[in-house]
Amino acid sequence: DTAVSQTPKYLVTQMGNDKSIKCEQNLGHDTMYWYKQDSKKFLKIMFSYNNKELIINETVPNRFSPKSPDKAHLNLHINSLELGDSAVYFCASSPHFGTGGSEAFFGQGTRLTVV
Amino acid sequence: SQELEQSPQSLIVQEGKNLTINCTSSKTLYGLYWYKQKYGEGLIFLMMLQKGGEEKSHEKITAKLDEKKQQSSLHITASQPSHAGIYLCGADMGTGANNLFFGTGTRLTVIP
Repeated sequence: DTAVSQTPKYLVTQMGNDKSIKCEQNLGHDTMYWYKQDSKKFLKIMFSYNNKELIINETVPNRFSPKSPDKAHLNLHINSLELGDSAVYFCASSPHFGTGGSEAFFGQGTRLTVV
Repeated sequence: SQELEQSPQSLIVQEGKNLTINCTSSKTLYGLYWYKQKYGEGLIFLMMLQKGGEEKSHEKITAKLDEKKQQSSLHITASQPSHAGIYLCGADMGTGANNLFFGTGTRLTVIP
């Protein structure tokens, strides 16, 4: 069984559209994350979230919003897509919330292409 | 500015050769994680280091964290084509929520 699953794996859409990427984890973890990997393969945190606290990377445009219907899901919603949003987006989860170290499990990534 | 510096950015080695990838931070780290990413796929967890001077091994891969907890190295012995991919170091900088900040990655190619 896949621990962290993302859908879709590929997403091609036009500028200005609104789209969502779904993420589900079946590990019972408390915390989920969204990362963006740019064309140079640099992976950067966008959000970390548990049922009590959302931490937003201040560089993330407010067109991006995480939505968590329950502890096992953290979806990424993007409004008014721009060309620069094209990237691979990774969802991840980890057992704990807070500094102290625990392995983060990553999904397979969603390659978003905005045309 | 880059939180973590990885070197080299790319590496091409002959099968059977040893290699080392480095990851350096200007700040003391709460945890250092090594991941491998195969082309077009997700990240695979390799190892986590938390204590200064800690060293862990898995099969032919060894990772070390220095005493100051600012530098880590990943060493592969007798490399194989299956080792090819992008190696990423991720660090818990103590900003809370166990957010990982990643290095720029090292692209490893192993020539048979």
